[in-house]
Amino acid sequence: GAVVSQHPSRVICKSGTSVKIECRSLDFQATTMFWYRQFPKKSLMLMATSNEGSKATYEQGVEKDKFLINHASLTLSTLTVTSAHPEDSSFYICSARVQPDTNYGYTFGSGTRLTVV
Amino acid sequence: AQSVTQLGSHVSVSEGALVLLRCNYSSSVPPYLFWYVQYPNQGLQLLLKYTTGATLVKGINGFEAEFKKSETSFHLTKPSAHMSDAAEYFCAALSGGYNKLIFGAGTRLAVHP
Repeated sequence: GAVVSQHPSRVICKSGTSVKIECRSLDFQATTMFWYRQFPKKSLMLMATSNEGSKATYEQGVEKDKFLINHASLTLSTLTVTSAHPEDSSFYICSARVQPDTNYGYTFGSGTRLTVV
Repeated sequence: AQSVTQLGSHVSVSEGALVLLRCNYSSSVPPYLFWYVQYPNQGLQLLLKYTTGATLVKGINGFEAEFKKSETSFHLTKPSAHMSDAAEYFCAALSGGYNKLIFGAGTRLAVHP
């Protein structure tokens, strides 16, 4: 089945540093990937839509300069949290839509728990 | 704008009891509908989805959901709860022409002996 691999699963970083999260489609090509943020006991908030070879589309209220998204290939999208602060601590999840659409629909990575200290 | 409403942020059932998790959507055009399950510190796993065709959809782990256009609902059910069903469940919708999922707030299911 369609699998999305997300790394790292957990990361702790110091305030002011940058952190990169990778999302790879293992057995299919993902022209579009999505990045979500999930606060504790909350639903998933879509941050941005990542399109291979073009600029990402950010949702309203999401700082594009803080959350840098790169989708340089059909199997890899990255989210870089720049100059991280404690309020950026959260659970980040990537997702990809399997094309052509099959019973898999959207498939999700296992998430990254970011803690900024 | 499309929205997804999940009634009940927490549902608690006894092992072996019926599970019913409620989901309603608001859309002028019936969307594609999904149910996902999330275990702690993990991503989302697709339980089932409705696109077209049969309105009663069967998914993994014994779950099923019925699309009712007249009620704009897509409730998730399972005849007999198992301890391993304890998790967070999300209903989501995707409208034709859009390329992103809209999630409900989630329902935490607890199963007690």
